[in-house]
Amino acid sequence: TQLLEQSPQFLSIQEGENLTVYCNSSSVFSSLQWYRQEPGEGPVLLVTVVTGGEVKKLKRLTFQFGDARKDSSLHITAAQTGDTGLYLCAGSQGAQKLVFGQGTRLTINP
Amino acid sequence: KAGVTQTPRYLIKTRGQQVTLSCSPISGHRSVSWYQQTPGQGLQFLFEYFSETQRNKGNFPGRFSGRQFSNSRSEMNVSTLELGDSALYLCASSLGPAKNIQYFGAGTRLSVL
Repeated sequence: TQLLEQSPQFLSIQEGENLTVYCNSSSVFSSLQWYRQEPGEGPVLLVTVVTGGEVKKLKRLTFQFGDARKDSSLHITAAQTGDTGLYLCAGSQGAQKLVFGQGTRLTINP
Repeated sequence: KAGVTQTPRYLIKTRGQQVTLSCSPISGHRSVSWYQQTPGQGLQFLFEYFSETQRNKGNFPGRFSGRQFSNSRSEMNVSTLELGDSALYLCASSLGPAKNIQYFGAGTRLSVL
C-alpha cells in the first residue's frame, strides 16, 4: 500500500511553462519533505513543511502543505532545463520512518 | 562538512553471492537509514539504525541485514543475491531518529547477473 500518491508520474513540458506536482495521502503527516534526485545521485532535500496551510518559496519553486496536513503541492514557475529530475515527496509521522511517494519524473525541454 | 559517503558506487555480482555496502554519515549524525530504489517500486525503506541499534525495519526478507558501528558508520549486507535485488541502494543520515530531515548519499548501484 502506497501511503503517498504522487501525480503525475511523468511530465514533459517546454522551457518557460509552469507546472504543478501533487502529493496526496489519506493519512495525516507531522511534516512533509520534497526532494529532487538527478541521475546517478541521491535525493537532495528541497524543503520541509510542517504547518497545515504553510507555503514556502524557493526561487521559482512554491511548496504548499494542505490545511489538513494530508497533501502537498509543488509549483514551478517558468521551468528551466535545470529543473529536470525526479521529484519525491516524503511524509513523516512523528518518529516513524519516512514514507516516500513514487516520484514525478520531470523533463523540461529546451 | 563532508556529506554522506557510500562505497562502492557500483557493484556487479552474480546470483547466490553476497554483498556488503558501506555508508559513512555526516559528521555528528547518529541515525542512518537504508533504502532500496527501483524503477518499479520507487524508494523502499529497508531499516534504520541509531546508536548501533536497529529502530525500524521495512518489509524485506531476512537476506537483507545491517549494522551500525560506534562511530555511526553503517553497513548493509545482502546474502544469496537474486536478480530482483538489482537496484540503487541509498543511505541517508540524520541527527537522530526524531529528526527526520535526512541527507542522502549518492548510492551504490548493484547489478545482479
